[in-house]
Amino acid sequence: AQSVAQPEDQVNVAEGNPLTVKCTYSVSGNPYLFWYVQYPNRGLQFLLKYITGDNLVKGSYGFEAEFNKSQTSFHLKKPSALVSDSALYFCAVRDRNNAGNMLTFGGGTRLMVKP
Amino acid sequence: DGGITQSPKYLFRKEGQNVTLSCEQNLNHDAMYWYRQDPGQGLRLIYYSQIVNDFQKGDIAEGYSVSREKKESFPLTVTSAQKNPTAFYLCASSITASRETDTQYFGPGTRLTVL
Repeated sequence: AQSVAQPEDQVNVAEGNPLTVKCTYSVSGNPYLFWYVQYPNRGLQFLLKYITGDNLVKGSYGFEAEFNKSQTSFHLKKPSALVSDSALYFCAVRDRNNAGNMLTFGGGTRLMVKP
Repeated sequence: DGGITQSPKYLFRKEGQNVTLSCEQNLNHDAMYWYRQDPGQGLRLIYYSQIVNDFQKGDIAEGYSVSREKKESFPLTVTSAQKNPTAFYLCASSITASRETDTQYFGPGTRLTVL
């Protein structure tokens, strides 16, 4: 079975400060990991994914995420937050040992960036 | 959201009625998915289709039905058997369903409210 936990329902950060949105996962094998962002009443937009190779993955809008196998984490980061980054962020995982393309999503973390 | 359209954006249904949500993609993707989003619960998979004329149940298929008669279309019917249908419904697609590295891309969603 595969699962994802996003331990924080909401993260508050001031504009210009670095931000981190946490994600931990559980899989039986090795993971593929994804981050998506959702703005109000919109679909999910793909930000980045980890498949293999470099543990630091760079994605859209200046976001990056670091894969840490020993801590089973894939935290989303950005060096300097913008008010426009305020949205709902979802982490998702797929176990390489599972056939097919089924994703398991975390419950989401709401990011609030204040001016 | 580009390439995947969902209609209508808002849908109201009386109890006991079936309703059909539309999902169309022009990305030439083989695989399509339906998710349900409830507050604080992330996304849950309802049905998915790997190829035309084939579909599989996801984690919460009870009370829903789908068809895949054309590659670009994957409509979802919410039947009267679905006990709590009020939710935000998201359609997604990926190049394939069998290649685990494929990214899923999402439509803008349909918000269904049962009156």
